[in-house]
Amino acid sequence: DTGVSQDPRHKITKRGQNVTFRCDPISEHNRLYWYRQTLGQGPEFLTYFQNEAQLEKSRLLSDRFSAERPKGSFSTLEIQRTEQGDSAMYLCASSPIMGPFNSPLHFGNGTRLTVT
Amino acid sequence: GNSVTQMEGPVTLSEEAFLTINCTYTATGYPSLFWYVQYPGEGLQLLLKATKADDKGSNKGFEATYRKETTSFHLEKGSVQVSDSAVYFCALSVTGNQFYFGTGTSLTVIP
Repeated sequence: DTGVSQDPRHKITKRGQNVTFRCDPISEHNRLYWYRQTLGQGPEFLTYFQNEAQLEKSRLLSDRFSAERPKGSFSTLEIQRTEQGDSAMYLCASSPIMGPFNSPLHFGNGTRLTVT
Repeated sequence: GNSVTQMEGPVTLSEEAFLTINCTYTATGYPSLFWYVQYPGEGLQLLLKATKADDKGSNKGFEATYRKETTSFHLEKGSVQVSDSAVYFCALSVTGNQFYFGTGTSLTVIP
């Protein structure tokens, strides 16, 4: 178990640029989640995959955001035309399917995005 | 809707003091409840969980009991250590797909 890996750890970009983050989940985990965390807040759900299927998306995920998990393994989160309000920590988490209520999330260390 | 409210911090305690961090929840269904902890420079990790009423989750000396009648899941530890300094998040999940987190409570334990 090597844990959930996220890349890069930090990203500074200018407003209007596109950015892409990568998440490698724990290898046997079917589920992969993206969360966003701003200063002083808890993680907020963005989207969730089960294998390669994106099953749920939050209202927070505007049309500038897109997430993929093409082979049911790693996932990417792209933000187009970044805005200063996108500055946050983007967290990836994965979990196995153990039944509906017994699958805690395993989080990566996050990607901190700063939009200038 | 589904939401979690936890006591605001920061909380500062002396080593060996008793810790309580309050957490209450609102849920549309029958949730599972969790406490996650984030140590400085690290990602969130599960501390403990409870999946049904009156269950007690425990780990590393921390405990929390799922109280359906008061919709609460308060975190307690009898004697905190400096190494417990971290941010603690209460969370719930109803469907197992979405997890709802509180805003976090920062704990600092001083020697």
